[in-house]
Amino acid sequence: EADIYQTPRYLVIGTGKKITLECSQTMGHDKMYWYQQDPGMELHLIHYSYGVNSTEKGDLSSESTVSRIRTEHFPLTLESARPSHTSQYLCASSGYSGSYEQYFGPGTRLTVT
Amino acid sequence: QKEVEQDPGPLSVPEGAIVSLNCTYSNSAFQYFMWYRQYSRKGPELLMYTYSSGNKEDGRFTAQVDKSSKYISLFIRDSQPSDSATYLCAMSRRAAGNKLTFGGGTRVLVKP
Repeated sequence: EADIYQTPRYLVIGTGKKITLECSQTMGHDKMYWYQQDPGMELHLIHYSYGVNSTEKGDLSSESTVSRIRTEHFPLTLESARPSHTSQYLCASSGYSGSYEQYFGPGTRLTVT
Repeated sequence: QKEVEQDPGPLSVPEGAIVSLNCTYSNSAFQYFMWYRQYSRKGPELLMYTYSSGNKEDGRFTAQVDKSSKYISLFIRDSQPSDSATYLCAMSRRAAGNKLTFGGGTRVLVKP
């Protein structure tokens, strides 16, 4: 069974605060992804990583940044949160060469007031 | 025009009915096709993964891919109220690495 964890699950924070959303997976997957999803809307890829020290921006422009210092860990940071950042953030990972399916964490629902 | 189109629904069916979901796509390079189920306020859960054209069955779920028509389907037999969720199709092509292109999702409601 896929094990991918996200913390916090819910976060309400004021404008201008710095936040870090955590994502960890225990499957040894080399590829990890961050998606943004508004209620009832599509998933949009905002960042991805194909391995340690490798990060790329996704299809949707985002003011967030990511890092990949360890295989299992892929945190997302917002330096200065704004109400427009209010959304659900989903982390995913995928493994092995030739494997295209991705496994998702439970998500972090972020509200910026 | 979006690369992957999916009717947003909602699709309401009585318990025990067959649920039929589909997606159309425009990029003929897509080769890998997935269906995810997403409950409200949760992350998507992978249901089915198929490569190229053909059928795949797993319990009550059957996935079909028709590459000539650029059309994929998911059928859920003997539907249960617990199947009420949003169903997302996703697909990928070799040149895109492992990046997925998602449909917008179809909301399904199975009524007892």
